[in-house]
Amino acid sequence: ETGVTQTPRHLVMGMTNKKSLKCEQHLGHNAMYWYKQSAKKPLELMFVYSLEERVENNSVPSRFSPECPNSSHLFLHLHTLQPEDSALYLCASSQDLWDRMGGYTFGSGTRLTVV
Amino acid sequence: AQSVAQPEDQVNVAEGNPLTVKCTYSVSGNPYLFWYVQYPNRGLQFLLKYITGDNLVKGSYGFEAEFNKSQTSFHLKKPSALVSDSALYFCAVRDYDQAGTALIFGKGTTLSVSS
Repeated sequence: ETGVTQTPRHLVMGMTNKKSLKCEQHLGHNAMYWYKQSAKKPLELMFVYSLEERVENNSVPSRFSPECPNSSHLFLHLHTLQPEDSALYLCASSQDLWDRMGGYTFGSGTRLTVV
Repeated sequence: AQSVAQPEDQVNVAEGNPLTVKCTYSVSGNPYLFWYVQYPNRGLQFLLKYITGDNLVKGSYGFEAEFNKSQTSFHLKKPSALVSDSALYFCAVRDYDQAGTALIFGKGTTLSVSS
């Protein structure tokens, strides 16, 4: 266990469903991230939160809606997804967004399948 | 804009032989460079990073990487591969001069070590 926990590990949902992915860290980190991992593509940065404020949104469709209620929790709310949204969704945290030298701690990801 | 290229989808090597996984980067300023490894059904794990100083960086599990500024490369190396090194490897970059930006990752290279 890395210190970043993602639930659920696997999720199958229909295109009309609404579901949420959860990420939790108790490392005392102040920055949290959502990445999308698709086969043979670069990891796609979706959202960045620093001290619970969203600081980056990389042209992600509105069917993905992030929420960061506190510095330990990050959610990704999903609704009316498309089959091409099927991927591994990774959550990561870091000490501080402004810490240029710091790396990230990743969760194990949620494998999402849209049917 | 920052970017990372990993030109090989897969690298195959026999156990005991040296391995190299290639990475080139593009940033407008000075780079901070990272390597991460991902085992099946797991998140990314930090291997090593280059911040400044010696161009040869040593990391976990006997891996090392060489920073070459003129070639804008940061190749991952290991003198003697193990079957247990088989995994997906990601290179990542952050621009030192772009404060507050997230890590940008490549598409990953699958390393397969045969016994």
